[in-house]
Parts: sequence; C-alpha cells; structure tokens
Amino acid sequence: AQSVTQLDSQVPVFEEAPVELRCNYSSSVSVYLFWYVQYPNQGLQLLLKYLSGSTLVKGINGFEAEFNKSQTSFHLRKPSVHISDTAEYFCAVSNSWGKLQFGAGTQVVVTP
Amino acid sequence: GAVVSQHPSRVICKSGTSVKIECRSLDFQATTMFWYRQFPKKSLMLMATSNEGSKATYEQGVEKDKFLINHASLTLSTLTVTSAHPEDSSFYICSAVRQGDGELFFGEGSRLTVL
Repeated sequence: AQSVTQLDSQVPVFEEAPVELRCNYSSSVSVYLFWYVQYPNQGLQLLLKYLSGSTLVKGINGFEAEFNKSQTSFHLRKPSVHISDTAEYFCAVSNSWGKLQFGAGTQVVVTP
Repeated sequence: GAVVSQHPSRVICKSGTSVKIECRSLDFQATTMFWYRQFPKKSLMLMATSNEGSKATYEQGVEKDKFLINHASLTLSTLTVTSAHPEDSSFYICSAVRQGDGELFFGEGSRLTVL
C-alpha cells in the first residue's frame, strides 16, 4: 500500500517570493513521484516527475523538486512566484506505471 | 504535444438518465487509460484502469455496473454513468499512457451535474 501526504492545504505567498510545497509519501516498494498543477475547471498539467537518477528534478515554469529517500519526501519549490502560479498543486506517487495516487492538494494563492 | 481530449467538457442531465463521457488520445495510441473522479475542492480518486480490448479493472468501492468503461480502440475509452443521481455529480478526468514511450497525459476533464 502507498499513501501521499501534502502537509499544507493552502499556502499564501507574495509575488516574487519563494514557495515550497511539501509532500511526503509512504510505500513498501520503489515509486515514481510527480507534481501536477490544476487551474480551475481544468485538467492536470505535469510540472515534473522523478523516475530515477538525480534527486533534484527541474520542471516547467521554474519549478524544481528534490527526492529525499531517507525522509520519503518530494518537496516542490520555486524561487520566485508569479500571480499566474495561483492554482492547486497535487503531489502523486505511482508504483504501477500510469496508475497514480494523489495527495489532497495544496492551494497556492499568490498576491501582489 | 500529445493531447488527450474529453467530451463533453460539461454535461447536465436529469436524475435517472445515463451519460457517456469520451476520452480520446488525438495523436497517439494508448493501450491503457485511467479514469479519475474529483469532488469539489478535493483530490483525484482513481476509479478504474481501462485496457484496450479487455475489461476494465475497477478500484475497490467503485460500482462496476454504475460506471461502465469501454476501451474499444487504441485511441478511445468511454465512461458511462448509468442511472445518474445527484451524488454522481463530479469532475471526471481521464489519463492515457502513450504507447511506445509510456508518457502519461491527462485530459481536460468533464464536469457532470445531475439534477
């Protein structure tokens, strides 16, 4: 069995400030890890994914995440956010390719 | 880039009717597609795995007779909500695994409202 915990349901942040979204997972086997962004009434857009190799993963729109196996974490960061980064962010894990288990989501609200 | 299209994007129906939602990979073939359900302000819950040419695999707690899934071709999977009730109102999202490189793509979602 596996599970995903997103520790913050909402993260308010000022424009041009850094942001970190926390994600912890549990699994008895190796997993693939993902971060997706969802804008209102839309589907999911992949920000980045970790499959293997380097633990620091760079994604689109200036986002990056670091896989920490010992802490079973996969936190997402962006050094400087824009108003357009206001959205819902989902962390997801998979041990069977394509079949994802999602965290509860973190709402990021960027204000001027 | 690869696109997964869902149709309709929004549908409103009366209680007791059936609604079909299509998930179509527009420029690639997908032997496997997945269906998720998302309640308002909630996360996505996997409903079922749809495999081309075979029966869908449903997650625990998902009613097979309620949510009929058909994956008749390598580019199309359909979800039919039978005898819909207001509690079936939700956002339904599909994803498709691209044959060959295994990349995963999500559709834009379909919002079902049952009156």
